[in-house]
Amino acid sequence: GQSLEQPSEVTAVEGAIVQINCTYQTSGFYGLSWYQQHDGGAPTFLSYNALDGLEETGRFSSFLSRSDSYGYLLLQELQMKDSASYFCAVRDNYGQNFVFGPGTRLSVLP
Amino acid sequence: DVKVTQSSRYLVKRTGEKVFLECVQDMDHENMFWYRQDPGLGLRLIYFSYDVKMKEKGDIPEGYSVSREKKERFSLILESASTNQTSMYLCASSFAGSGEQYFGPGTRLTVT
Repeated sequence: GQSLEQPSEVTAVEGAIVQINCTYQTSGFYGLSWYQQHDGGAPTFLSYNALDGLEETGRFSSFLSRSDSYGYLLLQELQMKDSASYFCAVRDNYGQNFVFGPGTRLSVLP
Repeated sequence: DVKVTQSSRYLVKRTGEKVFLECVQDMDHENMFWYRQDPGLGLRLIYFSYDVKMKEKGDIPEGYSVSREKKERFSLILESASTNQTSMYLCASSFAGSGEQYFGPGTRLTVT
């Protein structure tokens, strides 16, 4: 079967750093994506890792270890507007399909 | 800006009705996807299409069908709506081989 695991909830304060982990078991693997979704909104793309290592985009970074079937999203200098749900997604099935994790709800406190 | 549009934001249908959800993208993407999103379950793939007239079943295709007659348009059909199909339906598109999907605003469907 295919499964992705993420923590269901994370809470942090403004200005802090938070890491959201994602472990996966899928039939194929081409890369790991991260999406942000605010309440009532659509998911928006944050980052994609096809190779091992760290990808940095502004305050957000994403890491992948293919040998460990593990990745994480790192959010720095947290802001209130970062309060949202974050989903990891594996690109598999010859790279055409995506399998999403259950999502992590991040609450940023003042 | 990439735009993915869906035909309705909110829809209320009765059990047994045939329901059409339409999705249009304007970026010439090869791939298009239909997901449903339910609390605590994340996004689950219903069907996807990697080319005109091509379709592949996702994780939960039962009770649904799709149609892709033109590259920019991907339709989801509920042949006979049931209450357990009450959900948020999200359409997405992407270039072939890309890890980046663009999502539409979603359709919240209620079946009574």
